[in-house]
Amino acid sequence: AQKVTQAQTEISVVEKEDVTLDCVYETRDTTYYLFWYKQPPSGELVFLIRRNSFDEQNEISGRYSWNFQKSTSSFNFTITASQVVDSAVYFCALSALTGGGNKLTFGTGTQLKVEL
Amino acid sequence: DAGVTQSPTHLIKTRGQHVTLRCSPISGHKSVSWYQQVLGQGPQFIFQYYEKEERGRGNFPDRFSARQFPNYSSELNVNALLLGDSALYLCASTGLGGGHNEQFFGPGTRLTVL
Repeated sequence: AQKVTQAQTEISVVEKEDVTLDCVYETRDTTYYLFWYKQPPSGELVFLIRRNSFDEQNEISGRYSWNFQKSTSSFNFTITASQVVDSAVYFCALSALTGGGNKLTFGTGTQLKVEL
Repeated sequence: DAGVTQSPTHLIKTRGQHVTLRCSPISGHKSVSWYQQVLGQGPQFIFQYYEKEERGRGNFPDRFSARQFPNYSSELNVNALLLGDSALYLCASTGLGGGHNEQFFGPGTRLTVL
């Protein structure tokens, strides 16, 4: 069974602070993919990143960075110099193959509030 | 290019009624998935279709069904609505039928069951 845990329900920071969102996953598959999505108040899920289980290199994209550690089954997401526009719910997800397709198992999300 | 589109945006139904939700994938995408997101929770997988065939089904009752058309658009049908079916229903499209490719989501249909 696949499981994704996002222990932080809500985080509040002041603009320009750095913030890290935690994600811990469980899977018996040796090949799997991890994702992060952003859900602003409008409701649409916005894809941020996909990483496969064989690539543990950290990735940076602008103010966003991701730290993948198989040893601790974690895939954490850091926003540097946060901005008000970063306020949203962030979901970590795990991809599993099923019957020739794939499904995403999501965590419960972390609500990030960035205030002036 | 247009993203994933869903209709209607909002819907209000009463218990016992039937509802049909529609989704058009990104042009060129042949796989469509449906998710249910109850308020305060992460999306839950319902179905995935590729080339008009069901490729995956989540842990949902038989009241939930779906299909995919030759143009790759999809419908999600829910019969005998319950109050607990109130949720945001999200459709996602993927470029390939298998593998772990990213899924691109539509804006969702917010269903309220009274």
